[in-house]
Order: sequence, then structure tokens, then C-alpha cells
Amino acid sequence: AQKVTQAQTEISVVEKEDVTLDCVYETRDTTYYLFWYKQPPSGELVFLIRRNSFDEQNEISGRYSWNFQKSTSSFNFTITASQVVDSAVYFCALRPNSGGSNYKLTFGKGTLLTVNP
Amino acid sequence: EPEVTQTPSHQVTQMGQEVILRCVPISNHLYFYWYRQILGQKVEFLVSFYNNEISEKSEIFDDQFSVERPDGSNFTLKIRSTKLEDSAMYFCASEAGFGSSEQFFGPGTRLTVL
Repeated sequence: AQKVTQAQTEISVVEKEDVTLDCVYETRDTTYYLFWYKQPPSGELVFLIRRNSFDEQNEISGRYSWNFQKSTSSFNFTITASQVVDSAVYFCALRPNSGGSNYKLTFGKGTLLTVNP
Repeated sequence: EPEVTQTPSHQVTQMGQEVILRCVPISNHLYFYWYRQILGQKVEFLVSFYNNEISEKSEIFDDQFSVERPDGSNFTLKIRSTKLEDSAMYFCASEAGFGSSEQFFGPGTRLTVL
């Protein structure tokens, strides 16, 4: 069974603050992928990043960075110098990569980030 | 850039009515999915479809639900007799194939059951 836990239900910050969104996962698969999606108020799911379980290197993309730690089963997401446009619900998700014909995504409950001006 | 499309964007229906939600996946993709998101909650897997058959379905996907790929381009989700609790955003996703690792999501259809 797979499980993704996003313990932070809501976070509120002031613009330009850094903010970290936590994600902890459980899986029995030896190989898997982790994802982050952004869901703005308009409702669509915007893909942010995919991380293969083999690759524990941290990644930075502009103001976004991700910290993958297999030892603690965590895949945290940091936004540096937050902006009002970052306000959204952020979902962490997990899927197996073990062959077969089903690669369903298991999502966490999401973290609502509000960035205030 | 190719994208997944879904129609309609918003569907309002009366309880007990049948609805069909339509999706056009990215052409040459092989795996197709439906997910559901009740307002304010997480995105939940409903069903996956590969090689013209269901490969996995969740406990949510009961006999009231069915999926079809009628013409090689559309991928539909039918709810036979809608209930109030079917009100949700329904997302379609497609994936190129084994090892591609990324599912491309459509913009969603918001279903409101009155």
C-alpha cells in the first residue's frame, strides 16, 4: 500500500518569506517516482517536478527547490522569496515504477499556501 | 505542445441522471486515467485503462461508473445514475507508456449534482 502524508494543512506567509512544504511517503516498492503539483484557484493541476527514487540529488529551479531524503522517506518543497502568485494548494504524489500496467498516482491531502502581500 | 483536453469544463445535472465526461488524451499515449477531487479534498484515483481494458480500479469505481475509449481518440467516463456525492472535479490523465513516468493531466470537469 502507498501513502503520502502532507501534515501541513494550511500555511500562511508574508511575501518574500521562504516557505517549506513537507511531504512524507510510505511505499513497499523498491523503485518509485515522487511528484509535486500545484493547484491554483482556477483548479487545474500544474506539474512542478518528478523525482526518481534512484536520484537523491536535490534540485533547484528558480525560486523552487526540492529536498529528497530516502532515509526519512521525505520529499520536501521549498519556495524562496515567496510571491502572491505562489498562493495555491500544493500536492505531493507517489507512483510505483515496478512494471506492470498500472502506475496510478497516490496523492497527499495537499497544503494550502497563502502568500499575503 | 500537445495537451489533454476535457469537455465540458462544468456539468450540472440532476440526481439520478446519467453523465458522460469526455477526455481527449495526447495522441500516441497508451495509458489513461481518471481521478476525482471532491471540493477541498485530495485527488483520488478512480481507474486506469490500458490496451482497451481497465487495468485497475479503486473502491470508488463501483458499478455506476464505466469507462470507454470508443474511437481511438476519446476516453470517456460515464456515471449511470448520479448521486449528490458524485459532485467533484474529475481529471483525466494520459501517459506515453512504460517507463515514461509522467502523467499529463487535463484541466478537469467540474460535475455538480443537484
